[in-house]
Amino acid sequence: DQQVKQNSPSLSVQEGRISILNCDYTNSMFDYFLWYKKYPAEGPTFLISISSIKDKNEDGRFTVFLNKSAKHLSLHIVPSQPGDSAVYFCAARKAGGTSYGKLTFGQGTILTVHP
Amino acid sequence: EPEVTQTPSHQVTQMGQEVILRCVPISNHLYFYWYRQILGQKVEFLVSFYNNEISEKSEIFDDQFSVERPDGSNFTLKIRSTKLEDSAMYFCASRTSKTGELFFGEGSRLTVL
Repeated sequence: DQQVKQNSPSLSVQEGRISILNCDYTNSMFDYFLWYKKYPAEGPTFLISISSIKDKNEDGRFTVFLNKSAKHLSLHIVPSQPGDSAVYFCAARKAGGTSYGKLTFGQGTILTVHP
Repeated sequence: EPEVTQTPSHQVTQMGQEVILRCVPISNHLYFYWYRQILGQKVEFLVSFYNNEISEKSEIFDDQFSVERPDGSNFTLKIRSTKLEDSAMYFCASRTSKTGELFFGEGSRLTVL
């Protein structure tokens, strides 16, 4: 199932710089996109989301951009901090019916922020 | 902060044995889910549960799997006869409303030998 793809398995960034994590999707029925962060031995934690009617959503250091025509979204973290080091998952869901809780995840990107 | 709790954190079982994974969702949540992640693979949706019935399930969720909410607080996933390929981290999740944020538990690691 390749409906949501994160093509970069890992990303290494210096503290204070910008981290950009990318995600592509293929299913046009997806209308809501989320980013989750996961530390080892913990479950995924919701970070930020965006509806398909928007192209940008910002929450503190985290901004998600959505390009519907390219079926691409990205997560920007500025400035990056060592505590941001984790696995970041992109996820998507379809609208309507019983599908709200059914998320389709990408493979994840391991972000390492060096002091 | 309220959280989803899961037990056991790790279970080792022999192939063919029954396993029950337990979850206590956040108390005012109404929608419940199981996901799993096989080592090195994506997190995959298994099943959603609302109003004491399954609302959606994936192809993975075959007759060997069942869920129930026996007492209004616990939410369980039962695998009737485990297979080697059931080895994975199983995550329980819950949400308060139909479109609210999903809160995940820390996961239960199942190892089938």
